Amino acid sequence: GDSVTQMEGPVTLSEEAFLTINCTYTATGYPSLFWYVQYPGEGLQLLLKATKADDKGSNKGFEATYRKETTSFHLEKGSVQVSDSAVYFCALSDRLGGANSKLTFGKGITLSVRP
Amino acid sequence: EPEVTQTPSHQVTQMGQEVILRCVPISNHLYFYWYRQILGQKVEFLVSFYNNEISEKSEIFDDQFSVERPDGSNFTLKIRSTKLEDSAMYFCASSAQTGPGNTIYFGEGSWLTVV
Repeated sequence: GDSVTQMEGPVTLSEEAFLTINCTYTATGYPSLFWYVQYPGEGLQLLLKATKADDKGSNKGFEATYRKETTSFHLEKGSVQVSDSAVYFCALSDRLGGANSKLTFGKGITLSVRP
Repeated sequence: EPEVTQTPSHQVTQMGQEVILRCVPISNHLYFYWYRQILGQKVEFLVSFYNNEISEKSEIFDDQFSVERPDGSNFTLKIRSTKLEDSAMYFCASSAQTGPGNTIYFGEGSWLTVV
Protein backbone atom coordinates (compact mmCIF):
# COMPACT_ATOMS: atom_id res chain seq x y z
CA GLY A 1 0.00 0.00 0.00
CA ASP A 2 0.89 3.66 -0.07
CA SER A 3 3.17 5.05 2.60
CA VAL A 4 5.08 8.21 3.48
CA THR A 5 8.25 8.28 5.53
CA GLN A 6 9.55 11.42 7.18
CA MET A 7 12.87 11.96 8.90
CA GLU A 8 12.84 11.59 12.66
CA GLY A 9 12.43 14.68 14.76
CA PRO A 10 12.25 16.97 16.49
CA VAL A 11 14.36 19.54 14.70
CA THR A 12 15.68 22.63 16.45
CA LEU A 13 17.29 25.43 14.45
CA SER A 14 18.44 28.96 15.03
CA GLU A 15 16.68 31.76 13.21
CA GLU A 16 17.94 32.28 9.64
CA ALA A 17 19.30 28.74 9.42
CA PHE A 18 18.68 26.57 6.36
CA LEU A 19 15.98 23.94 6.72
CA THR A 20 15.62 20.58 5.04
CA ILE A 21 12.97 18.07 6.09
CA ASN A 22 13.21 14.79 4.24
CA CYS A 23 10.19 12.93 2.89
CA THR A 24 10.10 9.79 0.79
CA TYR A 25 7.09 7.88 -0.41
CA THR A 26 5.88 4.57 -1.73
CA ALA A 27 2.85 4.51 -3.99
CA THR A 28 1.29 2.05 -6.40
CA GLY A 29 0.10 4.75 -8.74
CA TYR A 30 1.24 8.22 -9.70
CA PRO A 31 0.62 10.30 -6.62
CA SER A 32 0.23 13.96 -5.90
CA LEU A 33 2.42 15.14 -3.03
CA PHE A 34 1.71 17.63 -0.28
CA TRP A 35 3.23 19.35 2.70
CA TYR A 36 0.82 20.31 5.48
CA VAL A 37 1.75 22.42 8.50
CA GLN A 38 0.15 22.59 11.91
CA TYR A 39 0.94 25.69 13.95
CA PRO A 40 0.41 25.50 17.72
CA GLY A 41 -3.29 25.42 18.54
CA GLU A 42 -4.37 25.34 14.91
CA GLY A 43 -5.51 22.78 12.36
CA LEU A 44 -3.66 21.25 9.46
CA GLN A 45 -3.01 23.78 6.70
CA LEU A 46 -1.82 23.06 3.20
CA LEU A 47 1.66 24.54 2.78
CA LEU A 48 2.42 23.46 -0.78
CA LYS A 49 1.81 20.70 -3.27
CA ALA A 50 3.06 19.16 -6.52
CA THR A 51 1.03 16.98 -8.82
CA LYS A 52 3.58 15.59 -11.27
CA ALA A 53 7.24 14.72 -11.52
CA ASP A 54 9.71 17.64 -11.47
CA ASP A 55 7.02 20.06 -10.32
CA LYS A 56 8.14 22.42 -7.59
CA GLY A 57 5.64 23.55 -4.99
CA SER A 58 6.39 26.75 -3.13
CA ASN A 59 4.78 28.95 -0.50
CA LYS A 60 5.95 31.31 2.26
CA GLY A 61 9.58 30.74 1.30
CA PHE A 62 9.25 26.96 1.50
CA GLU A 63 9.93 24.78 -1.53
CA ALA A 64 9.69 21.10 -2.39
CA THR A 65 10.38 19.36 -5.70
CA TYR A 66 8.62 16.17 -6.78
CA ARG A 67 11.43 13.70 -7.56
CA LYS A 68 10.03 10.56 -9.12
CA GLU A 69 13.43 8.96 -9.58
CA THR A 70 14.18 9.11 -5.87
CA THR A 71 10.51 9.00 -4.74
CA SER A 72 11.13 12.06 -2.61
CA PHE A 73 9.54 15.40 -1.80
CA HIS A 74 11.95 17.11 0.58
CA LEU A 75 10.91 20.42 2.13
CA GLU A 76 13.42 23.27 2.17
CA LYS A 77 13.60 26.85 3.31
CA GLY A 78 16.62 29.07 3.00
CA SER A 79 16.16 31.09 6.17
CA VAL A 80 13.76 29.97 8.87
CA GLN A 81 11.97 32.31 11.27
CA VAL A 82 10.66 31.78 14.77
CA SER A 83 7.15 31.89 13.31
CA ASP A 84 7.93 28.75 11.29
CA SER A 85 7.89 26.71 14.48
CA ALA A 86 5.24 24.08 13.84
CA VAL A 87 4.64 20.44 12.99
CA TYR A 88 5.20 19.56 9.32
CA PHE A 89 3.47 16.65 7.62
CA CYS A 90 4.31 15.15 4.26
CA ALA A 91 1.38 13.46 2.50
CA LEU A 92 0.36 11.85 -0.76
CA SER A 93 -2.81 11.25 -2.71
CA ASP A 94 -2.65 8.38 -5.14
CA ARG A 95 -4.32 8.66 -8.55
CA LEU A 96 -5.02 4.97 -8.56
CA GLY A 97 -6.71 5.19 -5.19
CA GLY A 98 -10.09 5.88 -6.71
CA ALA A 99 -11.83 9.18 -7.21
CA ASN A 100 -11.44 10.29 -3.62
CA SER A 101 -8.76 12.67 -2.45
CA LYS A 102 -7.75 10.41 0.43
CA LEU A 103 -4.44 11.48 1.91
CA THR A 104 -1.76 9.21 3.30
CA PHE A 105 0.35 11.07 5.84
CA GLY A 106 3.80 10.77 7.27
CA LYS A 107 4.31 10.87 11.00
CA GLY A 108 5.02 14.59 11.11
CA ILE A 109 8.06 16.37 12.43
CA THR A 110 8.22 19.17 14.97
CA LEU A 111 10.34 22.16 14.04
CA SER A 112 11.40 24.61 16.72
CA VAL A 113 13.22 27.79 15.70
CA ARG A 114 15.20 29.69 18.33
CA PRO A 115 15.59 33.47 18.15
CA GLU B 1 -10.97 32.99 4.55
CA PRO B 2 -13.50 30.15 4.85
CA GLU B 3 -12.53 27.46 7.29
CA VAL B 4 -13.63 24.13 8.67
CA THR B 5 -14.79 24.43 12.25
CA GLN B 6 -14.96 21.62 14.78
CA THR B 7 -16.57 21.21 18.18
CA PRO B 8 -15.71 20.40 20.85
CA SER B 9 -12.03 21.23 20.85
CA HIS B 10 -11.48 18.79 23.69
CA GLN B 11 -13.73 16.15 25.21
CA VAL B 12 -13.13 13.73 28.03
CA THR B 13 -15.42 10.74 28.18
CA GLN B 14 -15.68 7.55 30.14
CA MET B 15 -15.01 4.24 28.49
CA GLY B 16 -18.19 2.77 27.05
CA GLN B 17 -19.87 6.11 26.47
CA GLU B 18 -20.96 7.44 23.11
CA VAL B 19 -19.34 10.55 21.67
CA ILE B 20 -20.41 12.82 18.85
CA LEU B 21 -17.85 15.08 17.24
CA ARG B 22 -19.23 17.91 15.17
CA CYS B 23 -17.89 19.70 12.15
CA VAL B 24 -19.04 22.52 9.90
CA PRO B 25 -17.29 22.10 6.53
CA ILE B 26 -16.62 24.99 4.20
CA SER B 27 -19.98 26.01 2.82
CA ASN B 28 -19.60 25.26 -0.90
CA HIS B 29 -17.67 22.02 -0.41
CA LEU B 30 -19.23 18.71 -1.34
CA TYR B 31 -16.73 16.16 -0.05
CA PHE B 32 -16.19 15.54 3.63
CA TYR B 33 -13.67 13.51 5.59
CA TRP B 34 -12.64 12.40 9.02
CA TYR B 35 -9.05 11.64 9.95
CA ARG B 36 -7.54 10.87 13.31
CA GLN B 37 -4.12 11.06 14.93
CA ILE B 38 -3.29 8.98 17.95
CA LEU B 39 -0.62 10.71 20.01
CA GLY B 40 2.80 10.12 18.51
CA GLN B 41 1.45 8.32 15.46
CA LYS B 42 0.54 9.21 11.89
CA VAL B 43 -2.56 11.05 10.80
CA GLU B 44 -4.87 8.28 9.52
CA PHE B 45 -7.79 8.41 7.11
CA LEU B 46 -11.08 7.21 8.57
CA VAL B 47 -13.84 7.95 6.10
CA SER B 48 -14.94 10.09 3.18
CA PHE B 49 -18.50 11.19 2.51
CA TYR B 50 -20.25 12.53 -0.56
CA ASN B 51 -23.84 12.96 -1.61
CA ASN B 52 -25.11 11.77 1.76
CA GLU B 53 -23.29 8.50 1.76
CA ILE B 54 -19.92 7.04 2.62
CA SER B 55 -17.72 6.89 -0.45
CA GLU B 56 -14.71 5.25 1.14
CA LYS B 57 -13.70 4.04 4.58
CA SER B 58 -10.60 2.59 6.15
CA GLU B 59 -10.36 -0.63 8.11
CA ILE B 60 -10.30 1.48 11.26
CA PHE B 61 -13.84 2.69 10.53
CA ASP B 62 -15.75 -0.31 11.81
CA ASP B 63 -19.28 -0.62 13.19
CA GLN B 64 -18.29 1.43 16.21
CA PHE B 65 -18.14 4.51 14.02
CA SER B 66 -20.77 6.30 11.97
CA VAL B 67 -21.02 9.58 10.12
CA GLU B 68 -23.96 11.74 9.30
CA ARG B 69 -24.84 15.00 7.65
CA PRO B 70 -27.96 15.81 9.63
CA ASP B 71 -28.59 19.14 7.94
CA GLY B 72 -27.12 21.37 5.29
CA SER B 73 -24.16 22.51 7.32
CA ASN B 74 -23.06 19.95 9.91
CA PHE B 75 -21.08 16.75 9.47
CA THR B 76 -20.78 14.51 12.51
CA LEU B 77 -18.70 11.55 13.62
CA LYS B 78 -20.30 9.28 16.20
CA ILE B 79 -18.21 6.85 18.20
CA ARG B 80 -20.24 4.28 20.09
CA SER B 81 -19.03 2.50 23.19
CA THR B 82 -15.70 4.30 23.33
CA LYS B 83 -12.51 2.45 24.20
CA LEU B 84 -9.27 3.71 25.66
CA GLU B 85 -7.58 3.30 22.29
CA ASP B 86 -10.06 5.73 20.71
CA SER B 87 -8.21 8.55 22.47
CA ALA B 88 -6.88 10.70 19.64
CA MET B 89 -7.14 13.98 17.80
CA TYR B 90 -9.95 13.76 15.26
CA PHE B 91 -9.73 16.03 12.25
CA CYS B 92 -12.64 16.92 10.04
CA ALA B 93 -11.88 18.04 6.49
CA SER B 94 -13.65 19.09 3.33
CA SER B 95 -12.91 19.72 -0.31
CA ALA B 96 -14.75 21.33 -3.20
CA GLN B 97 -13.79 18.60 -5.62
CA THR B 98 -12.28 15.18 -5.50
CA GLY B 99 -9.35 13.51 -7.15
CA PRO B 100 -5.64 13.54 -6.44
CA GLY B 101 -4.06 16.97 -6.38
CA ASN B 102 -7.22 18.53 -5.06
CA THR B 103 -6.77 20.55 -1.85
CA ILE B 104 -8.36 19.23 1.31
CA TYR B 105 -9.03 21.76 4.05
CA PHE B 106 -8.77 20.64 7.66
CA GLY B 107 -10.29 21.85 10.88
CA GLU B 108 -8.38 22.44 14.09
CA GLY B 109 -9.24 19.05 15.43
CA SER B 110 -11.19 17.63 18.36
CA TRP B 111 -9.07 16.04 21.02
CA LEU B 112 -10.86 13.03 22.52
CA THR B 113 -9.65 11.52 25.76
CA VAL B 114 -11.25 8.27 26.89
CA VAL B 115 -10.72 7.45 30.56
